[in-house]
Amino acid sequence: GAGVSQSPSNKVTEKGKDVELRCDPISGHTALYWYRQSLGQGLEFLIYFQGNSAPDKSGLPSDRFSAERTGGSVSTLTIQRTQQEDSAVYLCASSLLGQGLGEQYFGPGTRLTVT
Amino acid sequence: QQPVQSPQAVILREGEDAVINCSSSKALYSVHWYRQKHGEAPVFLMILLKGGEQKGHDKISASFNEKKQQSSLYLTASQLSYSGTYFCGTEGVRGSARQLTFGSGTQLTVLP
Repeated sequence: GAGVSQSPSNKVTEKGKDVELRCDPISGHTALYWYRQSLGQGLEFLIYFQGNSAPDKSGLPSDRFSAERTGGSVSTLTIQRTQQEDSAVYLCASSLLGQGLGEQYFGPGTRLTVT
Repeated sequence: QQPVQSPQAVILREGEDAVINCSSSKALYSVHWYRQKHGEAPVFLMILLKGGEQKGHDKISASFNEKKQQSSLYLTASQLSYSGTYFCGTEGVRGSARQLTFGSGTQLTVLP
C-alpha cells in the first residue's frame, strides 16, 4: 500500500523535554531503520529492527535515546531530556530484507527542533 | 566505519558526465546508492553485490570492486533531474550483524 509514514512531520520542543517520534513502515517489511540527518550532513545510523528485536543498537548516541517496535510494525523513537544538539531530521526506513540487504524505503522524516 | 565519498560536490552542465567515488577501509558485502533531492527523503538507485558487476538505472550506472573496497557511480549525459545529493551505503559487519553505513554524500548540481 502506502509508503513509509512518519509523524509528526515537524516538532519543536524545549530543551529538557521528552519527545516521541513515530514510524509506520511499509506493510510486510520486516526490517526497520532509524537514521538522523543534521543540516547538510549525511545519514547517521541509529538503530535497526528485525521484526520486534533490535540486533543493532550501536548507533544510539546516548542513553537518552531509545526505540521500540511492536507487532513487527510501528516503531517509536524516544528522546528523553532533549538537548539542542538533538536538533535534526530523523528518518525512518523499512525494507523487505533485513541486515541492510534490501532496498530501503525512506519516510519523509520528522524535523526536530530543540529550543 | 563511514565510507569516504569524493568529490564532496560537483557542478556540471546538462549533458555532461560525472563520476562519484565511494571507498571503504573494511571488507564489504555490497554497496548501495541513494539520491536525495533537497527537502525530500533519500530514494534508492541500486545495489551492487560482490562480483565486480556493473548495474544500470536509466543513464546512471555503477561498478563495485570488492578487492579494492571501492564503488563508483557514473552519470552519463546528465539531466537537470539528476541534481541532488548522492549517498553510498556500504554493507559490512559490525559485531554479529551486517550493517549499512552511509557516506557523507556528494552534492551534484546540474545546470541548464
